[in-house]
Amino acid sequence: QTVVTQEPSFSVSPGGTVTLTCGLTSGSVSTSYYPSWYQQTPGQAPRTLIYSINSRSSGVPDRFSGSILGNKAALTITGAQADDESDYYCVLYMGGGIWVFGGGTKLTVL
Amino acid sequence: VQLVESGGGLVQPGGSLRLSCAASGFTFNMHAMSWVRQAPDKGLEWVSAITGSTGSTYYADSVKGRFTISRDNSKNTVYLQMNRLRAEDTAVYYCAKNYFESGSSVEYWGQGTLVTVSS
Repeated sequence: QTVVTQEPSFSVSPGGTVTLTCGLTSGSVSTSYYPSWYQQTPGQAPRTLIYSINSRSSGVPDRFSGSILGNKAALTITGAQADDESDYYCVLYMGGGIWVFGGGTKLTVL
Repeated sequence: VQLVESGGGLVQPGGSLRLSCAASGFTFNMHAMSWVRQAPDKGLEWVSAITGSTGSTYYADSVKGRFTISRDNSKNTVYLQMNRLRAEDTAVYYCAKNYFESGSSVEYWGQGTLVTVSS
């Protein structure tokens, strides 16, 4: 069974740039997986950041961008701010109407 | 957009529960709807989705055969009927609006309703 992989944790300095990735235990992430990205702070519902690889959801600042880098989907945050400290999840479309989330990345801004 | 879940609570293993999600602020039948859950201190898990007008349904392997998603476009409401519940189904269940009528990911999220399966 293919699993969606994310870095368990990452840290970035305030003002810095960080790239989180979303891969597969078997195979490469391509555009046909339509990766999306979500941000979640403790106790809150998730918030959609990016859909269909690189489209920003309404109201999301352009500091957040999505792409395919090599064989993975990527979420890049530029000019990191303290309130970017959150859990970040990717989800991939597996076909047949099925979506699978990655395990999430805990981002620390310090 | 507003998504308001209800129906969560405590249920014994093997029992059943039906979650409801009342939607407003968009043209309901033009969007697929999803349920996503999150077990305590765990990550997000996609559970099920239903397309907007045709009502085609899709399920994660972990719930297939036990859960049924449905929608009533006249009431702008989506449901999740959960049968043969297990302890591992304990989670916050989020109702979500998808971007398009079919084949798209989640755009908006409800606040979630907690389901606890325990004796």
